Amino acid sequence: DAKTTQPPSMDCAEGRAANLPCNHSTISGNEYVYWYRQIHSQGPQYIIHGLKNNETNEMASLIITEDRKSSTLILPHATLRDTAVYYCIVRVESGGSNYKLTFGKGTLLTVNP
Amino acid sequence: SAVISQKPSRDICQRGTSLTIQCQVDSQVTMMFWYRQQPGQSLTLIATANQGSEATYESGFVIDKFPISRPNLTFSTLTVSNMSPEDSSIYLCSVLADDSYNEQFFGPGTRLTVL
Repeated sequence: DAKTTQPPSMDCAEGRAANLPCNHSTISGNEYVYWYRQIHSQGPQYIIHGLKNNETNEMASLIITEDRKSSTLILPHATLRDTAVYYCIVRVESGGSNYKLTFGKGTLLTVNP
Repeated sequence: SAVISQKPSRDICQRGTSLTIQCQVDSQVTMMFWYRQQPGQSLTLIATANQGSEATYESGFVIDKFPISRPNLTFSTLTVSNMSPEDSSIYLCSVLADDSYNEQFFGPGTRLTVL
């Protein structure tokens, strides 16, 4: 399984863009990059995923480098409610149709007023 | 999407006892997962519980300690058996919607404290 490396913590000012980096240098060609976040005392929440192209949805943008060894999650206008642990995950598959997510330690993003 | 509820939301138990956690989903799903989140730690997958097959346990987790039932496509239970203080964790149920394997939905978790 490909592993990911994220900074343990980051700060961001409210209203500014939050850029969260992730290294996944051992990613395989058919593995996707997923981002989830976990707000305190809640279950994780899906944010976005991508294979090789940049992706954008209503929550965030995902920028994947051309060699796919790293990616950046961008929250364009961070709010206090975006304070959470953000997990970068490379999807693995095991045993045919089984699918599982392996969570690392993630990045604690603190959005400051 | 899928909305997941768990019961109980929290419990305090004595060592040596067992607790069964229920997971209810508002739609039919094939793939269901149970995770554990120890205090201050990330999530660890306990097992995959697909309807129609035996649960598949991850390394370090065994059926005798964490028996799982999956009687239908909307419900599952996880039992934490013969509990010790080391079992104090948040236990989370998670599902993959059958129409999309890209987004995994998580329940609110069950906070277990073992004295």
